[in-house]
Amino acid sequence: DAGVIQSPRHEVTEMGQEVTLRCKPISGHNSLFWYRQTMMRGLELLIYFNNNVPIDDSGMPEDRFSAKMPNASFSTLKIQPSEPRDSAVYFCASSLTRDRGLETQYFGPGTRLLVL
Amino acid sequence: SQQGEEDPQALSIQEGENATMNCSYKTSINNLQWYRQNSGRGLVHLILIRSNEREKHSGRLRVTLDTSKKSSSLLITASRAADTASYFCATDFKNQGGKLIFGQGTELSVKP
Repeated sequence: DAGVIQSPRHEVTEMGQEVTLRCKPISGHNSLFWYRQTMMRGLELLIYFNNNVPIDDSGMPEDRFSAKMPNASFSTLKIQPSEPRDSAVYFCASSLTRDRGLETQYFGPGTRLLVL
Repeated sequence: SQQGEEDPQALSIQEGENATMNCSYKTSINNLQWYRQNSGRGLVHLILIRSNEREKHSGRLRVTLDTSKKSSSLLITASRAADTASYFCATDFKNQGGKLIFGQGTELSVKP
């Protein structure tokens, strides 16, 4: 398996532009997570999906952020409009969630976003 | 905050020495996991320990869990320069709807 695939790997954009980050989870996994990592705040969970349904989006910073999972093999995280404080590394992770608690999460390589 | 708190924040040792990192948390968990992150890369899962387990081993890694003290430790024995990375604990809290909460991490530097 190729693991979790994220694109793009790097994104530089100007304030006010729309940014779309993409993720392909590992085949067969039923949970997908979007995280943001910064030096100041560490690794923050933004939103996660189970069986393509958003379960908890309490970590989404504000209405400028939205995420979708139209099918089991694809998810997007969109920022519109982007701001300099959104600059961070965004990780997607997937997992096979069972009743006995969360199992291992497999992380993608991340998208390094810089908003000028 | 329910976030796991790790200490130390940074640790510098010589190759061959053992490295111990600690994680404390505040509420009941289903399991606790440890991850490693090399600079500029994604996180990689190291080991998972369930709330009814006290100790687990994986190669040079040893993880302990003390639910009465709400703490866990990760021991890396006979460290190598390649072990240089950040190490995170992540807790799966009960009644949290199935999400992992990551600590701030311990930055380990192993000098050759």
